[in-house]
Amino acid sequence: SQTIHQWPATLVQPVGSPLSLECTVEGTSNPNLYWYRQAAGRGLQLLFYSVGIGQISSEVPQNLSASRPQDRQFILSSKKLLLSDSGFYLCAWNRQGRVQPQHFGDGTRLSIL
Amino acid sequence: EDQVTQSPEALRLQEGESSSLNCSYTVSGLRGLFWYRQDPGKGPEFLFTLYSAGEEKEKERLKATLTKKESFLHITAPKPEDSATYLCAVPNSGGYQKVTFGIGTKLQVIP
Repeated sequence: SQTIHQWPATLVQPVGSPLSLECTVEGTSNPNLYWYRQAAGRGLQLLFYSVGIGQISSEVPQNLSASRPQDRQFILSSKKLLLSDSGFYLCAWNRQGRVQPQHFGDGTRLSIL
Repeated sequence: EDQVTQSPEALRLQEGESSSLNCSYTVSGLRGLFWYRQDPGKGPEFLFTLYSAGEEKEKERLKATLTKKESFLHITAPKPEDSATYLCAVPNSGGYQKVTFGIGTKLQVIP
């Protein structure tokens, strides 16, 4: 069976500090990978997605970047965090092909002080 | 632009009181619709995929149905453990990789 791991679960960072959130998927190969941000009372906002190693699509201009150094590893980064980067970050994967549901990790709660 | 609207935003039920959640969508050429359950502080958990109008899926006390304009999630005789936020989503018109999520319906089932 497939599993998705996302860490850390919670993170408190000062403004201006760097960020690295990691997500790995097990039990499948060549998945599509996604990073979302979920704000309270708002829907899931797609930040980045990747259909293969080194292939990153950015959905929203922002202070964040993503990388996919290995087939089942997806990293969300920032060089300098802003207060507005606070939120709940979710990683997801799905299979390549038509109408495949996405499967989510348990998320990272990021607080910027 | 693809849109997904869920109603009501919040729903409070007594244990055993059946009800339905609504998900209406605007997308060019529907190819499917997903339902998820999200517990506080957790990622969404996949429940169902519906592929075409008229299709139904069931899981325990949940039954999802799909028409050409909307989907319903029927909850029969709910229990407190059914309390969660329920999200629906549709694949975007422009491609299969991306989906548009609704904001969700927060369901509270009271013992």
